[in-house]
Amino acid sequence: DAKTTQPPSMDCAEGRAANLPCNHSTISGNEYVYWYRQIHSQGPQYIIHGLKNNETNEMASLIITEDRKSSTLILPHATLRDTAVYYCIVRVGGLQGGSEKLVFGKGTKLTVNP
Amino acid sequence: ETGVTQSPTHLIKTRGQQVTLRCSSQSGHNTVSWYQQALGQGPQFIFQYYREEENGRGNFPPRFSGLQFPNYSSELNVNALELDDSALYLCASSLGGRGRRTEAFFGQGTRLTVV
Repeated sequence: DAKTTQPPSMDCAEGRAANLPCNHSTISGNEYVYWYRQIHSQGPQYIIHGLKNNETNEMASLIITEDRKSSTLILPHATLRDTAVYYCIVRVGGLQGGSEKLVFGKGTKLTVNP
Repeated sequence: ETGVTQSPTHLIKTRGQQVTLRCSSQSGHNTVSWYQQALGQGPQFIFQYYREEENGRGNFPPRFSGLQFPNYSSELNVNALELDDSALYLCASSLGGRGRRTEAFFGQGTRLTVV
């Protein structure tokens, strides 16, 4: 089961900031928070990840609360092309060697309106 | 573009048949993970291959199997297809192991329809 809780849907006006919340109250001290998005019928696209500090890249910012029980993904100036399902994922049980598996929930369907 | 290529993009099979899906990982990546995404759901982890060996498996029956080749490309095989196997199958490529790791980059997926 996914270790995160997200609202099923959100709306945002084009050009405004989109703030997508995520709760992960059972996160462990060494688990990262990842964000991916999936535009209709395409593969998920990596956005950003973080451990405890806030992170920013060319796509978005990630704000993680001090107790690490929740986080917010911020798209500073949403465009129509940002309409997608956004997944907040907590890395679950690192596999031996290899990479972590990702446990997806149902995500948040963000609709950016003109 | 993620550099992860999946083939074919679409496929229609009959119940009971077998299918092979292919994934070319991004250059420099040694780990491939496969996911199944049913309509309206998030992707579900099937299994992962790291350095040509299975390295973790989700809650999928043994008729789901895979391979990873020396060039780190991978195949997903599904035997005795069932109607519920109809889904988007996603491959994710990453650099794994000790030391520097990367996030996973997904291909565009293979849409499998079982009739």
